[in-house]
Amino acid sequence: DAKTTQPNSMESNEEEPVHLPCNHSTISGTDYIHWYRQLPSQGPEYVIHGLTSNVNNRMASLAIAEDRKSSTLILHRATLRDAAVYYCILRAPLNAGNNRKLIWGLGTSLAVNP
Amino acid sequence: DTAVSQTPKYLVTQMGNDKSIKCEQNLGHDTMYWYKQDSKKFLKIMFSYNNKELIINETVPNRFSPKSPDKAHLNLHINSLELGDSAVYFCASSQGPIYNEQFFGPGTRLTVL
Repeated sequence: DAKTTQPNSMESNEEEPVHLPCNHSTISGTDYIHWYRQLPSQGPEYVIHGLTSNVNNRMASLAIAEDRKSSTLILHRATLRDAAVYYCILRAPLNAGNNRKLIWGLGTSLAVNP
Repeated sequence: DTAVSQTPKYLVTQMGNDKSIKCEQNLGHDTMYWYKQDSKKFLKIMFSYNNKELIINETVPNRFSPKSPDKAHLNLHINSLELGDSAVYFCASSQGPIYNEQFFGPGTRLTVL
């Protein structure tokens, strides 16, 4: 299973943009890149996903490198509520059989300073 | 209404006991999952059911047995609990096995003494 590498922790100031990096150099051509986050004492929450093109939604933007070996989650204006552990995850497509499961790493713990 | 709910939220028990954790989703989803998060916060999938059929079964001791009585429920029964089973267990659901967004429950913190 392809794995992801993220910094253990990052810090940001409120209302500033945050760029959370993720390396996935062993990604296969059909693996999707997912981002989830986990607020303290809560279950993980879906943030965004993509395959090749950059993606935007109401929560964040996902920038995917052209060779797909890395990606960056962008929070445009961090708030205190964004303090969480952010997980970058790869997922094989459905026709990969059982391997379509999400493979989770240890994530990046983001602290947001007021 | 809570989309994915789990009971109990906390479970403290002795080694060797048998316990169950229940999960219900009211999202009308077809696929449900059980995850285990250990003390290092590493999240690992255990099982997945789609329309009551087991589709993912990771290398989990056979002391763990999932049961899906209907699409909205996926329960986890654990026999002969061991110290290493102490963890937070999360239930999740998605519209189907190919849908990318999974919705997670609040977790059940299991402590085995």
